[in-house]
Amino acid sequence: DAKTTQPTSMDCAEGRAANLPCNHSTISGNEYVYWYRQIHSQGPQYIIHGLKNNETNEMASLIITEDRKSSTLILPHATLRDTAVYYCIVTRPPISGGSNYKLTFGKGTLLTVNP
Amino acid sequence: EAQVTQNPRYLITVTGKKLTVTCSQNMNHEYMSWYRQDPGLGLRQIYYSMNVEVTDKGDVPEGYKVSRKEKRNFPLILESPSPNQTSLYFCASREEGNEQFFGPGTRLTVL
Repeated sequence: DAKTTQPTSMDCAEGRAANLPCNHSTISGNEYVYWYRQIHSQGPQYIIHGLKNNETNEMASLIITEDRKSSTLILPHATLRDTAVYYCIVTRPPISGGSNYKLTFGKGTLLTVNP
Repeated sequence: EAQVTQNPRYLITVTGKKLTVTCSQNMNHEYMSWYRQDPGLGLRQIYYSMNVEVTDKGDVPEGYKVSRKEKRNFPLILESPSPNQTSLYFCASREEGNEQFFGPGTRLTVL
């Protein structure tokens, strides 16, 4: 799996967009970018994933640069409940009926949303 | 509601006293796994299972056992717990897609 680099912490004002960067310069062609978050000591929660096109769902948007060496997770209107550690993970997707698939979580970015 | 449940959520025990942490999912997922999370070390996989009666070791299996007799359940067994197994434990499951669903966690303290 490709190594990722994320800032240790970020702050965001409530109601504003939170933009969380991730560098993954060694990403290979078949690796996806996944984002999970973990609210204090709760189980990690899937947010979004993408290969090379920008993706959007009800939780967030994912912007991947054209060279795929970095990406940004965007929470369009951050709320206090979005305060969490956000993990950027680069890995091949699980293969149906295939072997072990595990997520390797780094240290992530602690996002603090302030009132 | 699709979910992964774990019990107990909190447990304090003593060295050597066998314990089991249960994990159950209601999504009919084939793949389940156990992770432990420790400060500074992130989440590390303990064991995983690709289907009923199919289990294998993850990165840190020492001191743990698992079983998969039914698709929905994947208990984690500590035959003789030791203080270095004090940790936050998560069970997870997934099916065909990329998303892993995690349980709420079990905080274990071994004295």
